Amino acid sequence: QVQLVQSGAEVKKPGASVKVSCKASGYTFASYGITWVRQAPGQGLEWMGWISGYNGNTNSAQKLQGRVTMTTDTSTSTAYMEVRSLRSDDTAVYYCAKNTGITPYYYMDVWGKGTTVTVSS
Amino acid sequence: QSALTQPASVSGSPGQSITISCTGTSSDVGAYNYVSWYQQHPGKAPKLMIYDVSNRPSGVSNRFSGSKSGNTASLTISGLQAEDEADYYCSSYTSSSTWVFGGGTKLTVL
Repeated sequence: QVQLVQSGAEVKKPGASVKVSCKASGYTFASYGITWVRQAPGQGLEWMGWISGYNGNTNSAQKLQGRVTMTTDTSTSTAYMEVRSLRSDDTAVYYCAKNTGITPYYYMDVWGKGTTVTVSS
Repeated sequence: QSALTQPASVSGSPGQSITISCTGTSSDVGAYNYVSWYQQHPGKAPKLMIYDVSNRPSGVSNRFSGSKSGNTASLTISGLQAEDEADYYCSSYTSSSTWVFGGGTKLTVL
């Protein structure tokens, strides 16, 4: 079955970077995109960005551009999301989700369980 | 990109029907039939309930239905059950090739 397994919880200091991984299984990684979504404590869902599993093309939310890098490793069917210059308001659960196609307009059908990132001095 | 507008909360009794609205703009909800709805129970990942405005994934109860008129999409849950109590989020593709979520609606089953 399709599964997305995310890396474990992280605690970082302000100004540091964090890299979250998302290992896919049960489908052909290069035929679909991966979307990243985060959820701050007690808040709603925030779309962060999308990456193609085929060629690594990306699109990210304007407010995060310059601080976020999304990459993939097709040899291990793994997607990565790196956030730099962390601030306290980056504290959130970070989710990866599989798109149902290879372009960004495909919706997200399968989600990972989430990775908690805490930014605290 | 501003979040889509959803009511903060709705409630209903078991067996009743409720509708959650999701209002966007002509650059997102009004522009495409790419509206999805997600259910999220506390501490869990979101679960897809409706895609492309009105389609249900395999395994989702037919008590869940979606529709759209202009810049507003809606999710209707009929025959409310206790397990439907959760947060619900709409999302839409946008003209900037991004997605935007609604602020979320807390459904309480009385």
